[in-house]
Amino acid sequence: EVQLVESGGGLIQPGGSLRLSCTDSGFAFSRYWVHWVRQAPEKGLMCVSRINQDGRMTIYEDSVKGRFTISRDNAKNAVYLQMNSLRAEDTGVYYCARVLDTTFYFDDWGQGSLVTVSS
Amino acid sequence: QSALTQPRSVSGSPGQSVTISCTGTSSDVGAYNFVSWYQQHPGKAPKVMIYDITKRPSGVPDRFSGSKSGNTASLTISGLRAEDEADYYCCSYAGTYTPWVFGGGTKLTVL
Repeated sequence: EVQLVESGGGLIQPGGSLRLSCTDSGFAFSRYWVHWVRQAPEKGLMCVSRINQDGRMTIYEDSVKGRFTISRDNAKNAVYLQMNSLRAEDTGVYYCARVLDTTFYFDDWGQGSLVTVSS
Repeated sequence: QSALTQPRSVSGSPGQSVTISCTGTSSDVGAYNFVSWYQQHPGKAPKVMIYDITKRPSGVPDRFSGSKSGNTASLTISGLRAEDEADYYCCSYAGTYTPWVFGGGTKLTVL
């Protein structure tokens, strides 16, 4: 059963902006931390950002600090990743993944959204 | 934030056992009992196989087991089956203000 669905990816020129969305069809969205995890082509996984349940705490990987902004709207069961000043090295599949409040593992993942930064 | 270290590939024949190691530091794997393992088939999203070092989510076969010693966690798959062929990633919590850290991934080939 697919609960997380990403959207918003695509081809963008270096320096451009994209906003990814992640929507959750489940019933307890506000109990979850949500992470964005990037997988570069033929590469491994990397945590890019995460946001806590009420949106007041956000964490970023060093290479995206100042360029990416994570946010959420619990009324819409949605998390967003605003990506500005995009670089070629930001290319990859972006997964949203959720973590239930007192746990420390990803219990569900979206199908991924491909972002390609290229001129 | 440095990635955890995993072997790039391991292999085994059906019915055999394989172990995948995941080496971190005293700031991640060594500091917390929050290591998880994910299986990823080509073109698919990762799926959790082990969490909190040793726990299995419901539906994951007991052929999958985990352990930790110091800064190194391990995933053991016993009774290898063809469907176990996939990429495996370890992941560790690394503190309140730090992104979680993944290993580089290990490709398991079932011969």
